[in-house]
Amino acid sequence: QKEVEQNSGPLSVPEGAIASLNCTYSDRGSQSFFWYRQYSGKSPELIMSIYSNGDKEDGRFTAQLNKASQYVSLLIRDSQPSDSATYLCAVRTGGGNKLTFGTGTQLKVEL
Amino acid sequence: ETGVTQTPRHLVMGMTNKKSLKCEQHLGHNAMYWYKQSAKKPLELMFVYNFKEQTENNSVPSRFSPECPNSSHLFLHLHTLQPEDSALYLCASSQAGAYQETQYFGPGTRLLVL
Repeated sequence: QKEVEQNSGPLSVPEGAIASLNCTYSDRGSQSFFWYRQYSGKSPELIMSIYSNGDKEDGRFTAQLNKASQYVSLLIRDSQPSDSATYLCAVRTGGGNKLTFGTGTQLKVEL
Repeated sequence: ETGVTQTPRHLVMGMTNKKSLKCEQHLGHNAMYWYKQSAKKPLELMFVYNFKEQTENNSVPSRFSPECPNSSHLFLHLHTLQPEDSALYLCASSQAGAYQETQYFGPGTRLLVL
């Protein structure tokens, strides 16, 4: 079983729609959760971090965490073509500083 | 320079060559990381350094040799690589132990082994 799972996509949404990206993780001891955006040929860029159950909003981005279901999601409102990228989910378990990444979901926002 | 920098950005090497990748962080962090990113695979953690000490070696072949002379600099020495080692090599840094510790990535070195 993969430790961090994401649907590889591509997920296609029309411009202006809400994009919903999902991630599940296997280790119940996981404490910290991160979403990174990676444009083709570039390095990952931190979008959101979340540590407590519930929602965390930052501009057009909302991260949602449900530790009981071992599920974290990222919602992008009013999607723009510039949001087209691969979104990586990363999870930290325990007290160390090691992150485990999913394979990423490719998002395409179409005009 | 700001953030995390890496040089070179692109590298082509033969299997018998020796080369080194360099990473420098300008964030005042105390932890640095090497990751490998291959197509269709998750980011793979290779090495972790906390306060210049290696704390994680994720079963990386000995043809990859890391060096961390201080908290701001990290090297990855490469020798007798294989074509399957071709990938994007990413360096990251963080403030270990900080509340809501977060890793920040450099731009990466795109490596091609012929």
